[in-house]
Order: sequence, then C-alpha cells, then structure tokens
Amino acid sequence: QKEVEQDPGPLSVPEGAIVSLNCTYSNSAFQYFMWYRQYSRKGPELLMYTYSSGNKEDGRFTAQVDKSSKYISLFIRDSQPSDSATYLCAMGFRDYKLSFGAGTTVTVRA
Amino acid sequence: NAGVTQTPKFQVLKTGQSMTLQCAQDMNHEYMSWYRQDPGMGLRLIHYSVGAGITDQGEVPNGYNVSRSTTEDFPLRLLSAAPSQTSVYFCASSYSGGYTFGSGTRLTVV
Repeated sequence: QKEVEQDPGPLSVPEGAIVSLNCTYSNSAFQYFMWYRQYSRKGPELLMYTYSSGNKEDGRFTAQVDKSSKYISLFIRDSQPSDSATYLCAMGFRDYKLSFGAGTTVTVRA
Repeated sequence: NAGVTQTPKFQVLKTGQSMTLQCAQDMNHEYMSWYRQDPGMGLRLIHYSVGAGITDQGEVPNGYNVSRSTTEDFPLRLLSAAPSQTSVYFCASSYSGGYTFGSGTRLTVV
C-alpha cells in the first residue's frame, strides 16, 4: 500500500465549476500537508501549505485537512481554463521529507 | 533571483555511462532534495539534505549518489546508468513552508 493515495482522475469540468481533489494517507505521523500545481513539462509549484487540521483559504483555493480520517482535499472555486494542470498532494512528518500523491490532471473547459 | 537552476534540461545516456545532474539555488535554503517523476507514480524522493555536509537517502536511492559541500549546490550523480533510470528529475529547495522546484532534467537511458 502506498503511503499517499490520490484520486487518479482525470477530471474535466466547465469553466466556473468547483474542482474537488482528494488524497488519503496511512502514516499518522504526517503533520505537514501541501498541494502543488504542475503545468505540462514544468516543475511543480507550491499552492497551499498547512500543518494543522481544518481549512485554509487563499483566494479561490481552499485546502482542507482531516487528520482523524487521514484525508486532505483541495477545492478550486470559479475554475478557469488557466487552472488546467496536474495537482499533486504532498505530506510528511518533516516539511523537507515529503511523500507525494501520483497527481490528478484537471482540464477546465472554456 | 534565479531560484532553483537545474542543468542540463535534456540528456541521453547509454547504459553503463555515468553523469552528474547539477542543481543550484540562490535563496540560501537549508533543505534540498532530488525527486524523480515517472508516469502514474508521482514524485519519489531519491536523496535529501538538511544542510551542507549532511545528506540522507529517500525512497529510491539505489544507483544514485549525492553530496552537499556548499549550501547552494546539490549535485546528483548516476553511477552506472540503466534504462530504469529513464525519468524526469527534479531538484527542490526549502527553508520551511514548502519546496521550490527547478524546471527538471529529462533523462533517457538507451
């Protein structure tokens, strides 16, 4: 069993829809949780970072962490074609030693 | 401010050859890591460093060596290339709060 399981997708949504992305994990020691966005043939870029349970909001993005269920989510509101990318969840018990999900590819249709 | 710089961007090696992937960061970050990315498997940690002179193995270290003689540089050496090492390699650095990734090196071993 992988330490981090990510819903594989792919997801295709119309512009303006809410995108919901999910990951589960097995290591209860994980306390740092991140979401990265990766455009085709580019390096991942950090979107959200949190180390506590609950919600964190940044503009159109909301990260949700439920440590009791070992489950994290990323919501993208009012999705735009520029949000079309692969989204990677990442987590670890140290924020410099991360385990990544396999990624979910999202396409936002104009 | 260049961030994380990886060279080369593309490389083709013959089985058995050795080479070094270069990584440099100009942000005075303490932590640096090497990941490989393969289709359907996400990012897997090869080696990481928590400071100059300190390195440790990640999830998939076999066939790779690293050293960290300065804060800025963290080269990855392939000892004897194998076709299974065909992948996209990403270097990343962090102080805390999530990694900044380079743009990657696409390596093909034939």
